[in-house]
Amino acid sequence: ILNVEQSPQSLHVQEGDSTNFTCSFPSSNFYALHWYRWETAKSPEALFVMTLNGDEKKKGRISATLNTKEGYSYLYIKGSQPEDSATYLCASGGSNYKLTFGKGTLLTVNP
Amino acid sequence: NAGVTQTPKFQVLKTGQSMTLQCAQDMNHNSMYWYRQDPGMGLRLIYYSASEGTTDKGEVPNGYNVSRLNKREFSLRLESAAPSQTSVYFCASSEGVGQPQHFGDGTRLSIL
Repeated sequence: ILNVEQSPQSLHVQEGDSTNFTCSFPSSNFYALHWYRWETAKSPEALFVMTLNGDEKKKGRISATLNTKEGYSYLYIKGSQPEDSATYLCASGGSNYKLTFGKGTLLTVNP
Repeated sequence: NAGVTQTPKFQVLKTGQSMTLQCAQDMNHNSMYWYRQDPGMGLRLIYYSASEGTTDKGEVPNGYNVSRLNKREFSLRLESAAPSQTSVYFCASSEGVGQPQHFGDGTRLSIL
């Protein structure tokens, strides 16, 4: 994998559903994996930064896992709410400050 | 606490004009970044400043220059604007490498 890839590109779920997205990234020269939440007409907001293989982070109903050996991270949202509707970005970076962002997963939660 | 402040929010330029986008952060962060966001693409790094007094090229630096004026401020300059530079520009800051980045609200720039 040469670039950071996110899937699916978009997702529609019903309120109360749990969902997850995938971020794939180059496993060579890995330093950190970032997740951001980006609401329409706002700026990206940091959710998690993970660095170690096997890392798991949680913030409320949102959690993320990291596998640096195979180059992927999952973001989980439990019991989706309409206010969770946003684009979720992941970004991978080396130790040189340069982050490569994926194109994002657009989540729409229908009430 | 304003976080990261970008000015202006919107700007329309003619091809060949010059312009400086301003960015300031009040979180005492060491590192600052400029990105551009284009339809169908992820955020792409233009330039970054790891610490006060240093700047380095990112993924798409051509046509841009930057100045880290002090620890708070990091400006992006377009010397001769081109239509291909029509984009939304985001400034961000962080404590350092591997730390979460805090973004400004963006500058929507159109070049005719």
